[in-house]
Amino acid sequence: SQQGEEDPQALSIQEGENATMNCSYKTSINNLQWYRQNSGRGLVHLILIRSNEREKHSGRLRVTLDTSKKSSSLLITASRAADTASYFCATDENAGNMLTFGGGTRLMVKP
Amino acid sequence: KAGVTQTPRYLIKTRGQQVTLSCSPISGHRSVSWYQQTPGQGLQFLFEYFSETQRNKGNFPGRFSGRQFSNSRSEMNVSTLELGDSALYLCASSPAGTRQETQYFGPGTRLLVL
Repeated sequence: SQQGEEDPQALSIQEGENATMNCSYKTSINNLQWYRQNSGRGLVHLILIRSNEREKHSGRLRVTLDTSKKSSSLLITASRAADTASYFCATDENAGNMLTFGGGTRLMVKP
Repeated sequence: KAGVTQTPRYLIKTRGQQVTLSCSPISGHRSVSWYQQTPGQGLQFLFEYFSETQRNKGNFPGRFSGRQFSNSRSEMNVSTLELGDSALYLCASSPAGTRQETQYFGPGTRLLVL
């Protein structure tokens, strides 16, 4: 089952613009991770944010987490054509090492 | 360090056959998890192995099984294949399999069942 819901499902922007993707989840979490997937290949880890953190940066990526609203957002600034991919959030729903993924956002960056 | 590797990368089988997929984790990682990705159901957790023991299991039928070897390499097996088993199978590894760790994914094995 998927815990997270991602919004929007698809996003098309021009190179240089910012892209924002949102993720909502249902239960309490210890951390939330964002992954990127190019054309049905493996998942590339982007960033992990812990439940006691509100914001985290990594290069052109900014992730926020609002545990009161059970939501997170991923901002990609100054997007590039190479950022075209699907982006997934994943949470640790239960005890153990199981990740529960959202449905993903398909991002297309037009050159 | 080398990343997570999965073999084979592509596989075509027919209904009723069985298949075995292999995953080699990052050196030093002891936890290996398996996920199935389909267009309809998205990414779903299959199971996790740690120190040769299955520690967690997702909601999949018993046709899906796995094991882990002493060197942390893992295999998953699907018996009596069905058309709906066509999917991208991803494995992920992490050092100790705790909730605070990042999981690193392999490139996946794409299985097509005809």
